[in-house]
Amino acid sequence: NAGVTQTPKFRILKIGQSMTLQCTQDMNHNYMYWYRQDPGMGLKLIYYSVGAGITDKGEVPNGYNVSRSTTEDFPLRLELAAPSQTSVYFCASSYPEVRAGGPFEQFFGPGTRLTVL
Amino acid sequence: AQSVTQLGSHVSVSEGALVLLRCNYSSSVPPYLFWYVQYPNQGLQLLLKYTSAATLVKGINGFEAEFKKSETSFHLTKPSAHMSDAAEYFCAVSYSGGSNYKLTFGKGTLLTVNP
Repeated sequence: NAGVTQTPKFRILKIGQSMTLQCTQDMNHNYMYWYRQDPGMGLKLIYYSVGAGITDKGEVPNGYNVSRSTTEDFPLRLELAAPSQTSVYFCASSYPEVRAGGPFEQFFGPGTRLTVL
Repeated sequence: AQSVTQLGSHVSVSEGALVLLRCNYSSSVPPYLFWYVQYPNQGLQLLLKYTSAATLVKGINGFEAEFKKSETSFHLTKPSAHMSDAAEYFCAVSYSGGSNYKLTFGKGTLLTVNP
């Protein structure tokens, strides 16, 4: 298994441009997540999905959009890029619930480092 | 609402010394607690997790953590630091409720190991 893969690894955008960050997992996980990581701030949840066709906002969704047409893929779209979106973006996935109320370990991709100039 | 506080954004130890990284949580219901490690330019990797089965949890690479409900703490320890332990460590919490698939992360602690 490749686990969670993300492309690209690095990207530089100009203000106002748009792009899509790709995320794919091959573990058949229902749950997928997008985070951004800024220095000294930990990880902030942008969007998440509990299954194909179902997405919801996290803590910091403004300026981003997502879709989930398949179990494997969860792309993150940036429209009208702004310098505040300079960050490292991580995609993660969780395995299906083993028991009611059980914990969900999240598996992370290697990240995409995005700079908006 | 749940939250996590990691005391100390940067901890420096000598090789062979005890590693202690502090994490306190706030949760109105029994929590699930996690420690993740992030090596430079990599994603996060699970070190260990507390799921209410045992209060002392052993993880990979010789790390362990103890859940103390009375202190609302889940501190991470390792008896003897190795150079390869240099990384950033994140504590995270979820809880045994409807949204248990979402994690709340602390701000991280950067561990430096000096030779």
